[in-house]
Amino acid sequence: DTEVTQTPKHLVMGMTNKKSLKCEQHMGHRAMYWYKQKAKKPPELMFVYSYEKLSINESVPSRFSPECPNSSLLNLHLHALQPEDSALYLCASSQDPGGSNEQFFGPGTRLTVL
Amino acid sequence: GESVGLHLPTLSVQEGDNSIINCAYSNSASDYFIWYKQESGKGPQFIIDIRSNMDKRQGQRVTVLLNKTVKHLSLQIAATQPGDSAVYFCAENRAVGNQFYFGTGTSLTVIP
Repeated sequence: DTEVTQTPKHLVMGMTNKKSLKCEQHMGHRAMYWYKQKAKKPPELMFVYSYEKLSINESVPSRFSPECPNSSLLNLHLHALQPEDSALYLCASSQDPGGSNEQFFGPGTRLTVL
Repeated sequence: GESVGLHLPTLSVQEGDNSIINCAYSNSASDYFIWYKQESGKGPQFIIDIRSNMDKRQGQRVTVLLNKTVKHLSLQIAATQPGDSAVYFCAENRAVGNQFYFGTGTSLTVIP
């Protein structure tokens, strides 16, 4: 299995809702990432997990809460989001958190906040 | 056809021509670079990578050139096909862990 899967594919939520995005990989990778991508812009790094521990938080607002329950799963919990948080949320994984190696991306979750 | 990356985010080429997409990166300590292709509604897809100890790497129909002196990266696509139409991003790894930072991107349109 050489892919990163993300669910749901699309999500519409109100500003008072709580929802979660899910990411899964079965490649044995020990680093997992969340990126946010606005239309016609490059992906922006949000969080990095290394060996299931949060290693990087790129000053992301607390209404985004990541979680790594095990080495294959990565969640992003969403609460009290704003319309400007509407974007494509991408998950990625890589084999070695400490080295320079390829990141594999999932297809993304298209989030719309009303 | 050729883009200058940050200054010309769109590039249109005739089918069968060669394409050159350029990218300027920011950190002289970056040691690993990837070119990604992103089609509409999909996640970025790996095309080719290059490490800082190389200045050229070739794949199938694609070549990446790295000029560390001027911090410049280019992607050359030979005999461009309609299926190559997408947005292309360069990503640099800044040699601290495995974190990538993406360039602005170039939208390539292939005219049949």
